[in-house]
Amino acid sequence: SYELTQPPSVSVSPGQTARITCSGDALPKKYAYWYQQRSGQAPVLVIYEDDKRPSGIPEKFSGSSSGTMATLTISGAQVEDEADYYCYSTDSGGYHRVFGGGTKLIVL
Amino acid sequence: EVQLVQSGGGLVQPGGSLRLSCVVSGFTFSSYWMSWVRQAPGKGLEWVANIKQDGSEEYYVDSVKGRFTISRDNAKNSLYLQMNSLRAEDTAVYYCARDGSDYWGRGTLVTVSS
Repeated sequence: SYELTQPPSVSVSPGQTARITCSGDALPKKYAYWYQQRSGQAPVLVIYEDDKRPSGIPEKFSGSSSGTMATLTISGAQVEDEADYYCYSTDSGGYHRVFGGGTKLIVL
Repeated sequence: EVQLVQSGGGLVQPGGSLRLSCVVSGFTFSSYWMSWVRQAPGKGLEWVANIKQDGSEEYYVDSVKGRFTISRDNAKNSLYLQMNSLRAEDTAVYYCARDGSDYWGRGTLVTVSS
């Protein structure tokens, strides 16, 4: 079955730029989505269709995709950005969805 | 305002069945693919199943194929997940969601235990 691979954790100091990657064979042809999940809360969409930001999401969040890798970038990361981040996409057939394993962002 | 109101979770014995429901308001339910997503305690998000706008196509993660059935009633703006032959590893918070969107229910806990 199709898999999306993320690093288990990313650690940055406050104010630095955090980059979270997501690799998958179908990403050259399928959009990536990114969800933020704070502890005990439902996921929140921060990036859709590779690089689009939903209304209400700060400009510090941006997305890109090149080849088999999608990247979520958080500029000027702060303590309040600490959360688990999941990429989400579709297999090459176009119907089975999949989440990456999640990346814990640590800001300290 | 968009709302996805879930119901139907609870404690069930291994081998038992449970039906989850999700009532949607605030967008045209019949125009969108819908999904169920789950999260086991302390684990990541897992896509479970999705269903096409008219209910004519449905897809499942391998681990639930043949045991779970996703369905919808567009006249009632409702999404369902029938879960049979439940196992301990199905224990999770289950979310209904509009596919690839920011519209999610609050989640309902399903616990499979004797």
